Amino acid sequence: NAGVTQTPKFRVLKTGQSMTLLCAQDMNHEYMYWYRQDPGMGLRLIHYSVGEGTTAKGEVPDGYNVSRLKKQNFLLGLESAAPSQTSVYFCASSYSGTVQGGAEAFFGQGTRLTVV
Amino acid sequence: SQKIEQNSEALNIQEGKTATLTCNYTNYSPAYLQWYRQDPGRGPVFLLLIRENEKEKRKERLKVTFDTTLKQSLFHITASQPADSATYLCALNTGGFKTIFGAGTRLFVKA
Repeated sequence: NAGVTQTPKFRVLKTGQSMTLLCAQDMNHEYMYWYRQDPGMGLRLIHYSVGEGTTAKGEVPDGYNVSRLKKQNFLLGLESAAPSQTSVYFCASSYSGTVQGGAEAFFGQGTRLTVV
Repeated sequence: SQKIEQNSEALNIQEGKTATLTCNYTNYSPAYLQWYRQDPGRGPVFLLLIRENEKEKRKERLKVTFDTTLKQSLFHITASQPADSATYLCALNTGGFKTIFGAGTRLFVKA
C-alpha cells in the first residue's frame, strides 16, 4: 500500500500565484488533515475533513481553501500565495477522529513550498 | 494560552544509553498523548499512544509515561542505536478533532 501520497514534493511560487496541493490515501480513512510545519514550531492544523464532502477550519485556515470531493482525496488550495505561506505542508489521514479515542495519524512525505 | 513544550535543544547520547525526552503542557486536560518520530525530509510516523488513565506504556525499546498531575510525559528509548537519531514529536488531544503538536526534540545517538 502507498499510504498517504502528496503531490508535488517541491514547488516555488511567485507572490500572488495560485496552486493546489493534492493528497491521496488508499487506506479508506474517513478523516483527513492538512498541516503546515515551520522551523521551531509544531505542526499546525490548517483544515480538516471528517468525511467525503465535509471540511472544517483548523488553527491557521486563513489564505487556504480545501475540498474533499472523493473520500480518498483531500485538496489544499492557495488562491493568492504570500511569502508567509512558505512552509512544509503535510497531509495526514486517520480511521477515526481524535474525539473517538486517539486514532494514529498517517502522514504523507510533505510538500516543500517556497513563495518568492 | 494553551501550550505544549518540548526541549528545543538537541539531545546527544552515546549508543547503548537510554535517551529520555520530555513533553510538558499547560492549560490542557488531554484524554491521551501521542509520540511520533520524524526523519529529515519525511513526514511524522506514529510510535505510541498513552491515555490519561495509563501511567506507562511500552513497545519494544520504547517507554512512555504520562503524569497528569505534573502535566508531563517522558519518552524513553533504551539501548539506543544510531538509527534512533531523529526528531521526536509529542502530540496532545485537546478535545474534539484538535491535536496540538510540540515542535519536537532532535536526538543524536553516537556510535
